[in-house]
Amino acid sequence: GIQVEQSPPDLILQEGANSTLRCNFSDSVNNLQWFHQNPWGQLINLFYIPSGTKQNGRLSATTVATERYSLLYISSSQTTDSGVYFCAPCRNDYKLSFGAGTTVTVRA
Amino acid sequence: EAEVAQSPRYKITEKSQAVAFWCDPISGHATLYWYRQILGQGPELLVQFQDESVVDDSQLPKDRFSAERLKGVDSTLKIQPAELGDSAMYLCASSFGGASRNEQFFGPGTRLTVL
Repeated sequence: GIQVEQSPPDLILQEGANSTLRCNFSDSVNNLQWFHQNPWGQLINLFYIPSGTKQNGRLSATTVATERYSLLYISSSQTTDSGVYFCAPCRNDYKLSFGAGTTVTVRA
Repeated sequence: EAEVAQSPRYKITEKSQAVAFWCDPISGHATLYWYRQILGQGPELLVQFQDESVVDDSQLPKDRFSAERLKGVDSTLKIQPAELGDSAMYLCASSFGGASRNEQFFGPGTRLTVL
């Protein structure tokens, strides 16, 4: 599978702060998904973004496939943003490869 | 809103017992995936189905794990016998399938504890 490196591994934010999470991957990809894993363990879809930039409320993501990385931006963070964020690229075999995730803690 | 359903949500079992997990994908999704997530790590694919056929089960420990999707809709993952190292979250996901329709959606998972 594709090797995925996410950074930073842990991130502590004060409520209202902005942050950037990075995902590097080892191979060319057909698409890439970002997920938020909530405290109960469910993976929530954030973005399906093989290339370019997308925005959804306070979150946005950019994938530069030719340079093998993707970024997730969180603006005006809230306590509900806490959790683990996973990047998962895949090739044309449709199999997602997950990184170890970035654990985000937002303090009130 | 369509969701992937899984049951049970939690399962506690003793070593050497058999356990089974059930998954019902989003209606119309031809591709179904089972993942295992060990605490502190990202999910890892165990098996992938396209309709009722297994596409990839290369990471499935076949001496003790089995998976089926008999009618191409819902699926069951079984472990027999369970071992201590099987304690993990088991996640099911589904997608329409095909190059332009392969966004995966996950169910709530089954958290397995083997004592």
